[in-house]
Amino acid sequence: KQEVTQIPAALSVPEGENLVLNCSFTDSAIYNLQWFRQDPGKGLTSLLLIQSSQREQTSGRLNASLDKSSGRSTLYIAASQPGDSATYLCAVSGETSGSRLTFGEGTQLTVNP
Amino acid sequence: EAGVVQSPRYKIIEKKQPVAFWCNPISGHNTLYWYRQNLGQGPELLIRYENEEAVDDSQLPKDRFSAERLKGVDSTLKIQPAELGDSAVYLCASSPGGVAYTDTQYFGPGTRLTVL
Repeated sequence: KQEVTQIPAALSVPEGENLVLNCSFTDSAIYNLQWFRQDPGKGLTSLLLIQSSQREQTSGRLNASLDKSSGRSTLYIAASQPGDSATYLCAVSGETSGSRLTFGEGTQLTVNP
Repeated sequence: EAGVVQSPRYKIIEKKQPVAFWCNPISGHNTLYWYRQNLGQGPELLIRYENEEAVDDSQLPKDRFSAERLKGVDSTLKIQPAELGDSAVYLCASSPGGVAYTDTQYFGPGTRLTVL
């Protein structure tokens, strides 16, 4: 059974700082990995999707990397802003579960002005 | 383009009462998902539809939960009777379908259920 772990559970940084969120998964037979953002009381917004054959994806100030063999992904946020404050969730879909996403518990990020 | 629409946004009920949630996916999306998200945790899939067919309902507690997606568009998730442990946010998501395993899923805002 796939398990996804995210570290740290919570992170507080000053505005402007570059930061890294970590995600690890136990079964490396994945199709893809996604990073989502969730604001309080709202649904999830997909930020980046990395196919299993890819090493990284970039969107604006966000860069996500994937090391499938070691079961790890990182989300790098450059020049953080207060508007980046949210919970960030990592999810993987794998060969044993089709397009079913297995989520981590998330990292709650606070960017202080 | 409208996103995934869910209603109601909030629901408070007494235990043993029935409750239903409604979802309207993004137009043209063939795949629809229902997730449950407990406080402080990531979402867990309850059921996935490909058009009208439920293709993955292995994690749906079938003794009290039921779902339907008539005409392959809107979907309803029902709980009867509700238990205290059902308090959670119920999220609906949709994706275009087509090429397997490459789709981004688009989530609705969710329905927050409180069972008293």
